[in-house]
Amino acid sequence: ELKVEQNPLFLSMQEGKNYTIYCNYSTTSDRLYWYRQDPGKSLESLFVLLSNGAVKQEGRLMASLDTKARLSTLHITAAVHDLSATYFCAVDRETSGSRLTFGEGTQLTVNP
Amino acid sequence: EAGVTQFPSHSVIEKGQTVTLRCDPISGHDNLYWYRRVMGKEIKFLLHFVKESKQDESGMPNNRFLAERTGGTYSTLKVQPAELEDSGVYFCASSQMGQGVEKLFFGSGTQLSVL
Repeated sequence: ELKVEQNPLFLSMQEGKNYTIYCNYSTTSDRLYWYRQDPGKSLESLFVLLSNGAVKQEGRLMASLDTKARLSTLHITAAVHDLSATYFCAVDRETSGSRLTFGEGTQLTVNP
Repeated sequence: EAGVTQFPSHSVIEKGQTVTLRCDPISGHDNLYWYRRVMGKEIKFLLHFVKESKQDESGMPNNRFLAERTGGTYSTLKVQPAELEDSGVYFCASSQMGQGVEKLFFGSGTQLSVL
């Protein structure tokens, strides 16, 4: 059974600081996704990582994928309050059909 | 263009009652998925429709849950009778044919509280 673990689950950080959220998964995966959710809102797609070594950046967020280590990271640079949200990673496997397996989410709070 | 719409946004019911959740996908999206997040844990897959057909319903927890997508447009998810452990946020998502989960659009979810 495919399992996805995120850590930390809760993260409180100061504006201007850097931090990394980790996403480990248990078996070979085809694709890795990062989503953001603001309270009461829909999940918004941030990144889709398709291959080993993939790195994508958007503003203060950068995501990377190491398929050999079964690890993805979401790095936050110089955090700002607007980044406060819950971040989910998810994986899919061609053999599991068309579905995503999610981690528990990381609730990020950026304090002024 | 309207996004994925879910109704209601919140529902509070008593144990043993029936609740029906509705999802309107983005127009033209043949793939429709239901997921739920219970007790702040991970978001779990429930089922996948392709048009009006159930492609994969292996995530449905038990026979108290019934999903339909008549006509291949909107979908409903009925819980009957509801139990305490059914409380959580139910998300619907849709995508175009051929895109699967690569480009999923999610609704805002229905927060279900069973008392």
